[in-house]
Amino acid sequence: GNSVTQMEGPVTLSEEAFLTINCTYTATGYPSLFWYVQYPGEGLQLLLKATKADDKGSNKGFEATYRKETTSFHLEKGSVQVSDSAVYFCALLRNTGNQFYFGTGTSLTVIP
Amino acid sequence: DVKVTQSSRYLVKRTGEKVFLECVQDMDHENMFWYRQDPGLGLRLIYFSYDVKMKEKGDIPEGYSVSREKKERFSLILESASTNQTSMYLCASSYVGGRGEAFFGQGTRLTVV
Repeated sequence: GNSVTQMEGPVTLSEEAFLTINCTYTATGYPSLFWYVQYPGEGLQLLLKATKADDKGSNKGFEATYRKETTSFHLEKGSVQVSDSAVYFCALLRNTGNQFYFGTGTSLTVIP
Repeated sequence: DVKVTQSSRYLVKRTGEKVFLECVQDMDHENMFWYRQDPGLGLRLIYFSYDVKMKEKGDIPEGYSVSREKKERFSLILESASTNQTSMYLCASSYVGGRGEAFFGQGTRLTVV
């Protein structure tokens, strides 16, 4: 089947710390992979995506690389800010399907 | 700017009421989705639709139905609201069968009392 597993939260970091949120997936074929961010009280917004192996998605200082050999898509940021406090969701979309599969979300709090 | 708009940000309904949640997208997307979001459970798919009048059950369809009479509009219906349907409901849309991302509405926080 298709599924996404991401690290449990909550995660609390000090401003300017390095962030990693782990995400691994199970899928048939070659899915597209996404990171979404949800700020308090809002819907989900696309943060970055990658559509094939070894692609790197990046946006707002966040990066994630599509690793087919380890079926992973870990989210990283070199220096987090208070404004990065949000819930982060990893997701996949099969290339033959229309349905998205989401991880359970990781809550990040950045303290000054 | 592309948009998915949900009709209400907050709703309070009584047990047993019939509840309609409306979602409209302006991107001419074929696919539309309804998710429910609860703490610790992430997003769970209730129903999705890949075309007008077409629908498929997701992971948790019990107690819900949907309607898609026009391409841009996808409605979620709680036939008889119960307290265990208190949740955040998220609508999303996407192009069919491709690499494209899903676009989300702002969410509706439903409380059933």
